[in-house]
Amino acid sequence: LAKTTQPISMDSYEGQEVNITCSHNNIATNDYITWYQQFPSQGPRFIIQGYKTKVTNEVASLFIPADRKSSTLSLPRVSLSDTAVYYCLVGDKRGYGGSQGNLIFGKGTKLSVKP
Amino acid sequence: ETGVTQSPTHLIKTRGQQVTLRCSSQSGHNTVSWYQQALGQGPQFIFQYYREEENGRGNFPPRFSGLQFPNYSSELNVNALELDDSALYLCASSLGSGTTEAFFGQGTRLTVV
Repeated sequence: LAKTTQPISMDSYEGQEVNITCSHNNIATNDYITWYQQFPSQGPRFIIQGYKTKVTNEVASLFIPADRKSSTLSLPRVSLSDTAVYYCLVGDKRGYGGSQGNLIFGKGTKLSVKP
Repeated sequence: ETGVTQSPTHLIKTRGQQVTLRCSSQSGHNTVSWYQQALGQGPQFIFQYYREEENGRGNFPPRFSGLQFPNYSSELNVNALELDDSALYLCASSLGSGTTEAFFGQGTRLTVV
């Protein structure tokens, strides 16, 4: 199982760009990288997924270098409402990394956005 | 809004008691997975139900059990509650086991005293 490592916490101010890096040194050839966002007392929600290079959607961008041993989630111009925990997962195209068809979460990165 | 609803939202139980948590899956979804999230930790997989059968299980003892009904809603039962069972319990629904993205409910916060 590919394990992921992320910073435990990050602080930012409104309007700044935030980059959260995730290490996944033993990622398999068929693995995708998926990021989830979780607000307090809510379930996680999918925000972005990629396999290589760069992916962008209306919420975030995901940068994946050629060796795919790490990835960076980029949140442009964050607001207070972006305060949440961000999880990096490695798995199949639906995000499932466990042998039971399950998602494997680490501890995530707690992002605090200040005014 | 994911269409996945869980009840109750909060619950307080005494050590040794039993608890039942409920989850209504998103319309059309036939797979429900349950996760336990302790404070400051990521969600940990408990088990998955696909078409009313248990389809996979994480590293949780047998006192954690579940059911899935013909309408694909699901229950999580925990017997002989321990203090360490205090956590946010999340259910996630998907269409087909491992074939589509999972959508989470808002969770049930269980406190065992």
